[in-house]
Amino acid sequence: AQSVTQPDIHITVSEGASLELRCNYSYGATPYLFWYVQSPGQGLQLLLKYFSGDTLVQGIKGFEAEFKRSQSSFNLRKPSVHWSDAAEYFCAVGVLGGSEKLVFGKGTKLTVNP
Amino acid sequence: GAVVSQHPSWVICKSGTSVKIECRSLDFQATTMFWYRQFPKQSLMLMATSNEGSKATYEQGVEKDKFLINHASLTLSTLTVTSAHPEDSSFYICSARDNGQALTDYGYTFGSGTRLTVV
Repeated sequence: AQSVTQPDIHITVSEGASLELRCNYSYGATPYLFWYVQSPGQGLQLLLKYFSGDTLVQGIKGFEAEFKRSQSSFNLRKPSVHWSDAAEYFCAVGVLGGSEKLVFGKGTKLTVNP
Repeated sequence: GAVVSQHPSWVICKSGTSVKIECRSLDFQATTMFWYRQFPKQSLMLMATSNEGSKATYEQGVEKDKFLINHASLTLSTLTVTSAHPEDSSFYICSARDNGQALTDYGYTFGSGTRLTVV
């Protein structure tokens, strides 16, 4: 069965520091991978997605992610974190065929210290 | 860009009553919409897949008689929580995929969620 693991429940970084959020997936075929961000009490906003091609994907708000098939990983990175980046981040894999639903990881809460 | 409107954003209801939540795709058509439930500080749990013009597909363990889903048009899906109880209190989020998008444009647009509190 498809699954997504986000090993870090909570990460704290200082403003201006670099960030990496980890995501590992389990999927039997070529995965469609997504990163979403959620602010408290809000829906999810798409940061970036990967389907094929270049394994380094650029997204909004200065985020990028790298797909590594050998490690079954799709880690999210940002070179310099801003206080407004504090939020919950979810990694998801798209399940093809049928309804093509998303399977989410449990999320990583990011706290940014001034 | 694709926008999904979810209404209401919050609702308080008495135990035993029913509550309807609407999910609308404003600028695109969506044959398929998804309903999620999110408990505090937890991930999104897919409840059901809503299919326009047909019955919804419920995930294992979700009571279809309690969570009624209707997808009567290509831009509207509704979730009705029937005979609500305090344990149904949660954050409910819908999402939709644009029928017109090519696979490489794949993306799911989410509503802003509905906070349901049953007292």
